[in-house]
Amino acid sequence: SQKIEQNSEALNIQEGKTATLTCNYTNYSPAYLQWYRQDPGRGPVFLLLIRENEKEKRKERLKVTFDTTLKQSLFHITASQPADSATYLCALLPGGSYIPTFGRGTSLIVHP
Amino acid sequence: GAGVSQSPSNKVTEKGKDVELRCDPISGHTALYWYRQSLGQGLEFLIYFQGNSAPDKSGLPSDRFSAERTGGSVSTLTIQRTQQEDSAVYLCASSSDPGQFYGYTFGSGTRLTIV
Repeated sequence: SQKIEQNSEALNIQEGKTATLTCNYTNYSPAYLQWYRQDPGRGPVFLLLIRENEKEKRKERLKVTFDTTLKQSLFHITASQPADSATYLCALLPGGSYIPTFGRGTSLIVHP
Repeated sequence: GAGVSQSPSNKVTEKGKDVELRCDPISGHTALYWYRQSLGQGLEFLIYFQGNSAPDKSGLPSDRFSAERTGGSVSTLTIQRTQQEDSAVYLCASSSDPGQFYGYTFGSGTRLTIV
């Protein structure tokens, strides 16, 4: 069956370090992969999109990689700040589909 | 509006009662989605509306759940004869076409508690 896995354990890092979050998938061939940020009591907020034919995408302090051979996306936040503390979700869309499937998300905690 | 608006933000209702949840998408967004999120769980797809096309209801968990979208704008999700397992946060999202390029804009959700 199709599965999207994100680390259920919270990631604790020190301010200024690079945070790296992982999204693994099985039995899936996504054409698009999106990353979202979700704060408590709020809906997810779209951050970045990467396509299957792209290896890397950057936006300010954010970087996303997409390895279709490993079936994995990595989400990096450089120079992390306490304000980056949130839950980060990946979402996959197969080609021709308009319904994203979300992972459960990983909680990031950045300590000052 | 500037964002996706959902109401009410919180709803507590007795088991067996019917509830209606409302979503006001961003003006001009043709696609509208309903998801639900239970504690510690991922977002579970419920239903998808695109323009005037028939909705994709493949995620609705039972026939107690239904949704409509009037005039291509406001949507209402109705849960009949609520059960305790229906307790969750119900999230609405909208997107311009195609959402996979520009991302989906979510509301803050309705927290539904069945007692």
